[in-house]
Parts: sequence; C-alpha cells; structure tokens
Amino acid sequence: KQEVTQIPAALSVPEGENLVLNCSFTDSAIYNLQWFRQDPGKGLTSLLLIQSSQREQTSGRLNASLDKSSGRSTLYIAASQPGDSATYLCAAHSRASRESGANSKLTFGKGITLSVRP
Amino acid sequence: DTGVSQNPRHKITKRGQNVTFRCDPISEHNRLYWYRQTLGQGPEFLTYFQNEAQLEKSRLLSDRFSAERPKGSFSTLEIQRTEQGDSAMYLCASRPGGGTYEQYFGPGTRLTVT
Repeated sequence: KQEVTQIPAALSVPEGENLVLNCSFTDSAIYNLQWFRQDPGKGLTSLLLIQSSQREQTSGRLNASLDKSSGRSTLYIAASQPGDSATYLCAAHSRASRESGANSKLTFGKGITLSVRP
Repeated sequence: DTGVSQNPRHKITKRGQNVTFRCDPISEHNRLYWYRQTLGQGPEFLTYFQNEAQLEKSRLLSDRFSAERPKGSFSTLEIQRTEQGDSAMYLCASRPGGGTYEQYFGPGTRLTVT
C-alpha cells in the first residue's frame, strides 16, 4: 500500500529565501510523481509532473527532483515570494491496488503549508 | 482553469438528506477519478472510471455513496443519508488514456452537512 509523507506540516520563511520541500513515498513502483499547489478553500493546481524514468523537471522558479530508489522527491522554490504562500502537496501515481492490474490512482501526502513573509 | 468543471461549487445540506454532485471532464479524457479531501488532509482516492465502467472503488466509499458515468462523459457522485462526517471537499480529475498519466483536477465541490 502506497503511503506518502510530507514533513514538516508547515514552514515560514522570509521573502527571497530558496527553499526545499520534501516528499517521501513507500512504494517505488510509481508511474509518476506530481506536485500540486492548493490555495485556501480552492482546488488543486498542478505544478510539475515527473515521469518515473525522469530525475527532474523545471518550470520557472520551481524545480522538482525524483529519486525512486530512495522513495524521495523534492520541490525546490527559488527566490520565494509572498505569492508563493499556499499548501504544497505531492502525489504518487501508482497502481490502485494489488488486484487492480493497470488501474491507477494518486496517493497524496498531507501537504506542507508554506508562508512567505514580506 | 484546467477544463474540468464541477457543480455545484458549494453545497450545504442537513444530516440525512441526499446530495448529488456533477463532474464534467475534459472532453477527450476517458479516465475519470473522484477524491475526497477533509480539512488538513491530502485528497483521498474514492473511485475510478474508464469510459463508463467503474473499475476501482476505495474502501472509503461506503454503500451510501454511489458514482456513475452513464455515457462515458460526465460523472455524478451521490451521497445518501448524509452524515456530518461527509463534510469535505469532493474533487474530480480526468486524464487521457496512455501518455503521461497526468491528472487534471476540477475546482471541487465543498459539502457542509449541518
């Protein structure tokens, strides 16, 4: 059974800092790993998706890495801004169950709530 | 806007009432997922459709919950005899077959059971 952990649950940094958000997962048999942003009371915005065969993906100030063998992914945010304040969730895309064949699902961590202070 | 829409966006209901939510996926996506997110938690998988076939159901989906995707396009999620513990954000996602497996999420329906 896939389990995804994100620690710490909350993080507060001053504006301009570079920061790393960590994600770990227990089952390395994943199709991909996706990072999402969620603003309070809102839905999910996809930030980056890393295929299982890839090591990293970049979009603007964001860089996500994936190490399947150790069950870890990191999201690097460069030069953080107050507008980056949100909850960041990582999700591992893997088989829905042992019996499910090709059926798949996302398993989410609880998220890291980031606050960037001006 | 990902192209996945959900209605209603908010629903307040009294305990014991039935509620139904609708999800319209991106038109060419034949895979559709429902997730539930409670306060302070990440979304949890509820069920999965490929076209009109419901291929996977989580143990979280009690027999008060039913989901359908009658023509392989939009989907509905119904909760019968709602309980306060059903209060949550219900999220729908869709993706095309094959490819990157990337799921595209709708804005969610927030259910409050009083």
